Amino acid sequence: DIQMTQSPSTLSASVGDRVTITCRASQSISTWLAWYQQKPGKAPKVLIYMASTLQGGVPSRFSGSGSGTEFTLTISSLQPDDFATYYCHQYESYPLTFGGGTKVEIK
Amino acid sequence: EVQLVESGGGLVQPGGSLRLSCAASGFTFSDHYMDWVRQAPGKGLEWVGRIRNKANSYSTEYAASVKGRFSISRDDSTNSLYLQMNSLKTDDTAVYFCTRWDVRVSKIDYWGQGTLVTVSS
Repeated sequence: DIQMTQSPSTLSASVGDRVTITCRASQSISTWLAWYQQKPGKAPKVLIYMASTLQGGVPSRFSGSGSGTEFTLTISSLQPDDFATYYCHQYESYPLTFGGGTKVEIK
Repeated sequence: EVQLVESGGGLVQPGGSLRLSCAASGFTFSDHYMDWVRQAPGKGLEWVGRIRNKANSYSTEYAASVKGRFSISRDDSTNSLYLQMNSLKTDDTAVYFCTRWDVRVSKIDYWGQGTLVTVSS
């Protein structure tokens, strides 16, 4: 199985900060990676797919990059609505797997 | 508008069975692969399994943790997705989400609101 390791697990930041979350795959997944945002009590929402393609309707402050085993999700200027938990998700091979999540908290 | 509405969750004893349903609307259900994803209380997301469409023989894939105990099926005539869960364990306690997989661009693009399954004596 492909293991997805996210870091950090928790991140404290202020509104306006630039935030970067890293996801590492245990083997190459090319660009078969998505990023999801989840708020408490809600279903996740896709932000980025194919490692760097922004989902329609998602603000342009979100961006994704990487290929192979190293990926990043960047929020260029953190907004109040962005405080949530973020998950990476590989779909290169079965079983599909998620990272452990990164909780972005208010500093 | 795409909607996915899960039902069938509840309290079940270890070793018991439960069948979850997902009612889909707002899109051509028969065209899409469908996945189940779960989330234990306070924990991260775990992919449970997938069922492909008729063009791909309704074939299925499962996570190792549920293989042989869980079974995914679908009824395209009623736009319904199912998850049959047998031999339930306490570790299966989670919110179960029905999700739609977009084959064209490779992503889970829609999620239901989830249904809670609690396995406890």
